[in-house]
Amino acid sequence: NAGVTQTPKFRVLKTGQSMTLLCAQDMNHEYMYWYRQDPGMGLRLIHYSVGEGTTAKGEVPDGYNVSRLKKQNFLLGLESAAPSQTSVYFCASTQGAHEQYFGPGTRLTVT
Amino acid sequence: KQEVTQIPAALSVPEGENLVLNCSFTDSAIYNLQWFRQDPGKGLTSLLLIQSSQREQTSGRLNASLDKSSGRSTLYIAASQPGDSATYLCAVPQLTDSWGKLQFGAGTQVVVTP
Repeated sequence: NAGVTQTPKFRVLKTGQSMTLLCAQDMNHEYMYWYRQDPGMGLRLIHYSVGEGTTAKGEVPDGYNVSRLKKQNFLLGLESAAPSQTSVYFCASTQGAHEQYFGPGTRLTVT
Repeated sequence: KQEVTQIPAALSVPEGENLVLNCSFTDSAIYNLQWFRQDPGKGLTSLLLIQSSQREQTSGRLNASLDKSSGRSTLYIAASQPGDSATYLCAVPQLTDSWGKLQFGAGTQVVVTP
């Protein structure tokens, strides 16, 4: 039981490049979330999903897209990376309003 | 909108002393409250989840209390150890908007000195 895993752990992008972050959970959770964590800003919700095939915007969705084609996976895409997207990205999952489990994070730097 | 506050922002204690971390929230209509630990450069580790119907939840040296009417939760860590040094975050689910989205406090950075 791996819990929540994230791929990759680290990435450096140049401005304008694209990439996809993968989140996978093996707990059969319905709800999945992408947060970003920045110094002084705390954790902010980017997008979330309440089930396979559904996604919704969070607080800071601009510049990101998501997909949830399979229940266990939640993908976060950056189509054209900007330096403002330099951050640590965390994925989380839960079954209803219960304990949320977080992945180890992806540290992204955009130069 | 739910707002979550943690005081103090930082705390330094000698090893063996008990830790008391405070969390307050503005909307008492919460479903539960979760405490996390975050080590530098790492992810969030769930410590305790306390349901709205509970007054306390315990796990080993950790004890969390919840007083919904006053909008407060307290995390007690008994007999602190240097390995307890980390940032501790509390969070409540925001039910009116992004379902289940957690509203976090800014955290309390704890240093336990040997």
